Amino acid sequence: SQQGEEDPQALSIQEGENATMNCSYKTSINNLQWYRQNSGRGLVHLILIRSNEREKHSGRLRVTLDTSKKSSSLLITASRAADTASYFCATGSSGAGSYQLTFGKGTKLSVIP
Amino acid sequence: GAVVSQHPSRVICKSGTSVKIECRSLDFQATTMFWYRQFPKQSLMLMATSNEGSKATYEQGVEKDKFLINHASLTLSTLTVTSAHPEDSSFYICSAGYSTAEETQYFGPGTRLLVL
Repeated sequence: SQQGEEDPQALSIQEGENATMNCSYKTSINNLQWYRQNSGRGLVHLILIRSNEREKHSGRLRVTLDTSKKSSSLLITASRAADTASYFCATGSSGAGSYQLTFGKGTKLSVIP
Repeated sequence: GAVVSQHPSRVICKSGTSVKIECRSLDFQATTMFWYRQFPKQSLMLMATSNEGSKATYEQGVEKDKFLINHASLTLSTLTVTSAHPEDSSFYICSAGYSTAEETQYFGPGTRLLVL
């Protein structure tokens, strides 16, 4: 079943602007991850934030996690046309003897040059 | 590092035929591999989890007799869609993790299946 719900579903911005995507989830988590998917391609892992962390940075990416609100946000600063892709949050849980990810519906980001 | 490949990248087949999709971890040994299905403009839905040398664990609603998964080695898992029908047309993506406790998954580029 879907765990994460991204908001907005689609986002269009000008190059150089910041892009913020939000994710909400329902159950307790060990960590929350963000992935990126270019059209018709596989997913690329961007960043993982653990449940005991509140904020994490990686290059132009900034992720926050609020476990009390069961929400996370992904901020991409100084966006570039190459950032155009779909972004998914995924929550991790242990199941079937291994670690599983449950993905949200994704935010489609379009960065206009 | 942590590169996962899939073959074929796209396949078109007639209804009733079977299609095999391969997922390989190229530069690491993957104890666990995952198979996902993604419909257009939708998210990834986990189909099954396979651990090397053991039977795959299927998610609820996924027919194990229709989607045969074999994980015979630490670098190869295969998904066979048996007696494919048009409704099986989808984007199939595999991922792999170093271990059963690995939190990050490394994804293949996906296979586009079109059943006529």
